[in-house]
Amino acid sequence: AQSVTQLDSQVPVFEEAPVELRCNYSSSVSVYLFWYVQYPNQGLQLLLKYLSGSTLVKGINGFEAEFNKSQTSFHLRKPSVHISDTAEYFCAVTRSNDYKLSFGAGTTVTVRA
Amino acid sequence: GAGVSQSPSNKVTEKGKDVELRCDPISGHTALYWYRQSLGQGLEFLIYFQGNSAPDKSGLPSDRFSAERTGGSVSTLTIQRTQQEDSAVYLCASSLSSGTGELFFGEGSRLTVL
Repeated sequence: AQSVTQLDSQVPVFEEAPVELRCNYSSSVSVYLFWYVQYPNQGLQLLLKYLSGSTLVKGINGFEAEFNKSQTSFHLRKPSVHISDTAEYFCAVTRSNDYKLSFGAGTTVTVRA
Repeated sequence: GAGVSQSPSNKVTEKGKDVELRCDPISGHTALYWYRQSLGQGLEFLIYFQGNSAPDKSGLPSDRFSAERTGGSVSTLTIQRTQQEDSAVYLCASSLSSGTGELFFGEGSRLTVL
C-alpha cells in the first residue's frame, strides 16, 4: 500500500516570498502523484498532477512540483506567494491506474502581509 | 450548479442517533468516492462506487457505516448509532473515470456528534 508523508504541518510565509511544501511517498510500484488545495470553507481542488513524462509539473495559480523518483518525493513550490494562497495543501498518491488515493495529513500555509 | 453537491453542510446530532449524508455528483461522472477528514489528519478513504460494479467498501470503519448509490448517480452515506469519534467532515468526490486521480470534491458535510 502507498503512504504519504507531508513533512510540515504548518508553514507561515510572508507575501511575495517563495514557499516549498514537502511531500514524500512510499510505494514499490509505479505511482501517480497529486497536489490538492483546500481554501477555507471550500472543497478540495486539484492543483497539479504527475502521471508520466516530464518530472517538472506546472499547475494552476503559479504552483509547480517536481517528481523525484530516487528520493520518492513530490515537493510543491511557488516562487512568490499571495495572501490568497492561504489554504491547506494535500499531497496524494495512487498506484498507476488505481482509483484509491492516499492523502497526506495536509500542510496549512498562512501568508502574511 | 455544475459541481458536486453535498447536504447537509452541517449536522449536529446526539450520540446514538442515525444520520444520512447525501452526495449529488457531477452529471456524467461514473466514479463516486466518500472520504472522511478529521481534524489534523489527512483524508481517509471510506468507499468507492464505479458504474454498476460492486462498491469497494474496504475503508468503512465499522458496520455502523453504509452507503448506497441509486441509479448510478446520487449517493447516501448512513451512519447508525453515531458515536463522538464519528465527528468529522465527510467529503464526497466524483470523477469521469478512475485511475487518473482527477477527483472533483464537494464542500463536505460537517458532522458533530454530541
